[in-house]
Amino acid sequence: EAAVTQSPRNKVAVTGGKVTLSCNQTNNHNNMYWYRQDTGHGLRLIHYSYGAGSTEKGDIPDGYKASRPSQENFSLILELATPSQTSVYFCASGDGDLSGNTLYFGEGSRLIVV
Amino acid sequence: QQQVRQSPQSLTVWEGGTTVLTCSYEDSTFNYFPWYQQFPGEGPALLISILSVSDKKEDGRFTTFFNKREKKLSLHIIDSQPGDSATYFCAASTGNTGKLIFGLGTTLQVQP
Repeated sequence: EAAVTQSPRNKVAVTGGKVTLSCNQTNNHNNMYWYRQDTGHGLRLIHYSYGAGSTEKGDIPDGYKASRPSQENFSLILELATPSQTSVYFCASGDGDLSGNTLYFGEGSRLIVV
Repeated sequence: QQQVRQSPQSLTVWEGGTTVLTCSYEDSTFNYFPWYQQFPGEGPALLISILSVSDKKEDGRFTTFFNKREKKLSLHIIDSQPGDSATYFCAASTGNTGKLIFGLGTTLQVQP
């Protein structure tokens, strides 16, 4: 069954530490996305990718890096985690067809930075 | 400034009633408008979507209406069920880049 899986599902990190959130998709979609979800802010796009080797900045990229080493995998990297990055992070893949791009989301990664 | 605005922020309806959620947007280049449904502890999932060339799309109990002139859309849920209790997001994008701009969401509670 096609799916988007994220790891870890829960993470507690210390301020200044490095955090890597991983995402794997079996949908064979070219496009992948990282969003964060916060109360009062909805879902906001951090980084996205159109294919292996490509990464693009979304609307709130500061403090985050992304890596797309393969069609299936897309990582979000926090080099120096800060408490303001405490959030729930969602990865998604999309087919990008002309009828409208349906995004398929993972179950989320809850990150707490202390 | 929020490019996609949703209202109300929360809503409670009785089982069997009709739910109406609304959304407005600013960018006239938006041409794709999906609605996503999210249950607690899960990721959002596509519920229904509409392209700007249409003014209505129906899928079972769910119907979305689009008004291009007023830059507004709405989601109607008839015969609302307790299982519909969730957070609903409207979103918008241009073309097929997948760069969806989400509204802040409406939390729906359907009381039995």
